[in-house]
Amino acid sequence: QSVLTQPPSVSAAPGQKVTISCSGSSSNIESNAVTWYQQFPGTAPKFLIYEDTKRPSGIPDRFSGSKSGTSATLAITGLQTGDEADYYCGTWDNSLSAEVFGTGTKVTVL
Amino acid sequence: QVQLVESGGGVVQPGRSLRLSCVASGFTFRNYGMHWVRQAPGKGLDWVGRISYDGSNIYYRDSVKGRFTLSRDNSKNTLYLQMNNVRSDDTAVYYCARFGPSGLDVWGQGTTVMVSS
Repeated sequence: QSVLTQPPSVSAAPGQKVTISCSGSSSNIESNAVTWYQQFPGTAPKFLIYEDTKRPSGIPDRFSGSKSGTSATLAITGLQTGDEADYYCGTWDNSLSAEVFGTGTKVTVL
Repeated sequence: QVQLVESGGGVVQPGRSLRLSCVASGFTFRNYGMHWVRQAPGKGLDWVGRISYDGSNIYYRDSVKGRFTLSRDNSKNTLYLQMNNVRSDDTAVYYCARFGPSGLDVWGQGTTVMVSS
């Protein structure tokens, strides 16, 4: 099973905000940078947020990341229908010597 | 442009072997560590393993240790995943991904492996 825990789903109306939590431990989130990925059905994951809070070029500032202790959060503001996708957090786990991913969260725009 | 293209997937019987390849282009392959990540049908992302830029350091998830081998040929810009003694729970789409300065920043399109008798 996944080491990082996310809510299975979140939803909101267009234009609203959603937040996705990613809960881990001292050996992963607290010790290493968190990355967030976006995945549309039938496609490969896409690099969305890195080093906890940074956006790669081309990612709108509607997407933001934060981290505190053993938890990280992805926020999406000004929600659009095109944001409907699965979102995963990921980081390295020092105890497992393994990359670990969150359980994944499906975002639905109502 | 920066690109990763996987190949080698298919239908394989339990206990048999399969080798996946991932060809890189558009960047200096030998400078980057690489990962394999898989995704079973309808499931989340599962990390398989990681290899350093020069192949000197390799890590695997516990369930594939002793069965899967990561390797790379920097002269061919190619990453490999040798899968031996495959099991039904190895059925998944397998992605290769570049290990950038901060996370897996480039992903291939994936290749599908189905383990079935």
